[in-house]
Amino acid sequence: NAGVMQNPRHLVRRRGQEARLRCSPMKGHSHVYWYRQLPEEGLKFMVYLQKENIIDESGMPKERFSAEFPKEGPSILRIQQVVRGDSAAYFCASSPLGGGYTFGSGTRLTVV
Amino acid sequence: QKEVEQDPGPLSVPEGAIVSLNCTYSNSAFQYFMWYRQYSRKGPELLMYTYSSGNKEDGRFTAQVDKSSKYISLFIRDSQPSDSATYLCAMSPVGIQGAQKLVFGQGTRLTINP
Repeated sequence: NAGVMQNPRHLVRRRGQEARLRCSPMKGHSHVYWYRQLPEEGLKFMVYLQKENIIDESGMPKERFSAEFPKEGPSILRIQQVVRGDSAAYFCASSPLGGGYTFGSGTRLTVV
Repeated sequence: QKEVEQDPGPLSVPEGAIVSLNCTYSNSAFQYFMWYRQYSRKGPELLMYTYSSGNKEDGRFTAQVDKSSKYISLFIRDSQPSDSATYLCAMSPVGIQGAQKLVFGQGTRLTINP
């Protein structure tokens, strides 16, 4: 079992570009969560998804951010028109129904 | 006021020392309490998981929850250099549709000196 796979590990974008972060959950896991970790801060919940459904997006910024978890393929966190304040580590976690989390190693986004 | 407060440290102790890490919280709805360890450039990994108040021991690690004081602790006995990492507390109310939306503390950076 390969664990939760996130790619890319590092992503550099210029201000105004789009960033796409991918997360492949562990085999058999149907729940995906995205968290953001700013420098010297703990992880902040962004969104919780099941296949083809957004269950809780209470932590997502209202603009520029979106997430999906299609029937086939990885979950995608999309950030449009990135700004310097979006620079952070973005972690994905997956779980089975009612089970505990497993985190991926994260994508470190740098906006220049 | 943050929902979960954790001293960010850094905390530096000699090898073999007992380490005490703590978090306080304000939300009475929290029922599930967790400690994660995060090595540099890695994702968090679950160390301890406790439901409601009480103690839980796993090898050199002991987790304590005092819901009346809204205070949780993680103790590490016989600390090793390999324990050097950032430790994050996390909490959750009863989960949404069976899943848990976690609220994390800031994390405490711990260094164990040989």
